[in-house]
Amino acid sequence: EVQLVESGGGLVQPGRSLRLSCVGSGFNFDDFAMQWVRQPPGKGLEWVAGMTWSGGSIGYADSVKGRFTISRDNAKNSLYLEMNSLTAEDTALYYCARGSGTSRLDRFNIWGRGTMVTVSS
Amino acid sequence: SYVLTQAPSVSVAPGKTARISCGGNNIGGETVHWYQHKPGQAPVLVISYDSDRPSGIPGRFSASNSGNTATLTISRAEAGDEADYYCQVWDRSSDHWVFGGGTKLTVL
Repeated sequence: EVQLVESGGGLVQPGRSLRLSCVGSGFNFDDFAMQWVRQPPGKGLEWVAGMTWSGGSIGYADSVKGRFTISRDNAKNSLYLEMNSLTAEDTALYYCARGSGTSRLDRFNIWGRGTMVTVSS
Repeated sequence: SYVLTQAPSVSVAPGKTARISCGGNNIGGETVHWYQHKPGQAPVLVISYDSDRPSGIPGRFSASNSGNTATLTISRAEAGDEADYYCQVWDRSSDHWVFGGGTKLTVL
């Protein structure tokens, strides 16, 4: 079964850091671009960051650029999101999503169930 | 950056046709993807490249895209179709993915 499982969410104080992980299974992880998407409570989906299969092309939403870093370890079938200088506006359910191909421009055809990040003192 | 506008909610009677719109400047010139998102579940791609249905998505789901509006159509609506629906495009000018605000479909 093709699957993505996120982890690493939790309660964190403003200004602190958190690292999210996403493990893929049931497919060749290094054949696909990967993305992070978040959903604040009561709001819609917001794209956060994405990268190609090789990491050769990376993009970030303006709201997180300079604070968040996306990375991957294909040997571990894992995608990461390092989040620094967190604020209350970063509170959201964070989803990992797989592209349908190697490009960041490919549609997201597999999603995880998300991991919740709450930024609060 | 590119903005996608969706109505917050749409209601449809069971067995009838629901139409969910996504507005954007000359969106007909863009490629639109549609996602279904039920509470507590992972989002699901229901339409890609304007009108293609991934395997496993019922034929009741279709879509079109022209001018300033893309439309997701759900025929013979069922209770199980209740969900939030999001349109998505790639904004070349900003190198960003953009989602619409989402439309909550109620089948009643």
